[in-house]
Amino acid sequence: RKEVEQDPGPFNVPEGATVAFNCTYSNSASQSFFWYRQDCRKEPKLLMSVYSSGNEDGRFTAQLNRASQYISLLIRDSKLSDSATYLCVVNFAGYSSASKIIFGSGTRLSIRP
Amino acid sequence: GAGVSQSPSNKVTEKGKDVELRCDPISGHTALYWYRQSLGQGLEFLIYFQGNSAPDKSGLPSDRFSAERTGGSVSTLTIQRTQQEDSAVYLCASSLVGGNTGELFFGEGSRLTVL
Repeated sequence: RKEVEQDPGPFNVPEGATVAFNCTYSNSASQSFFWYRQDCRKEPKLLMSVYSSGNEDGRFTAQLNRASQYISLLIRDSKLSDSATYLCVVNFAGYSSASKIIFGSGTRLSIRP
Repeated sequence: GAGVSQSPSNKVTEKGKDVELRCDPISGHTALYWYRQSLGQGLEFLIYFQGNSAPDKSGLPSDRFSAERTGGSVSTLTIQRTQQEDSAVYLCASSLVGGNTGELFFGEGSRLTVL
């Protein structure tokens, strides 16, 4: 089983729609969680951190469910510019304070006019 | 610029040759990560540095891969006796602290093609 799993998509939705992605992780000791965005042939960039209480940044809402070991990303009123691959990222911090940051394989989102 | 710098941006080599990829992190960033991304795939963790030491080398695919970091700054990833399956984009990222709270800043990657 992969340490971080995502539905690869693609999700193809019309502009203005609401779309949600889930991501599951295997290590219950995981400490911190993030969503990154990667445009085609570009490097990943941080979209938002995911906090235990859930957090919102404009049209984007992230949720964490530790009991079920999944995180989610909700995008409201989607724009053409939201088309990208969304990467779920989990930090597995070990006993030595070493920090192993694992990326999911990404969910591709395509917004159509 | 003040971002993460990687070189070369593109490298084409013949099977069996050694290659060296370089990463220059953001000044003052103590944590440095190497990932590999094959076409259409996700990021595969290779190695993590905190300062000059590598607490986690678990992602290195084989003993042909090695990495070092000197002066708490520049890191090199060396691949010996390259194979065609090594072809990928090698991404380097740095953060101010270990990844628990620090955002990762990525370079643009080194695209390696092994013929």
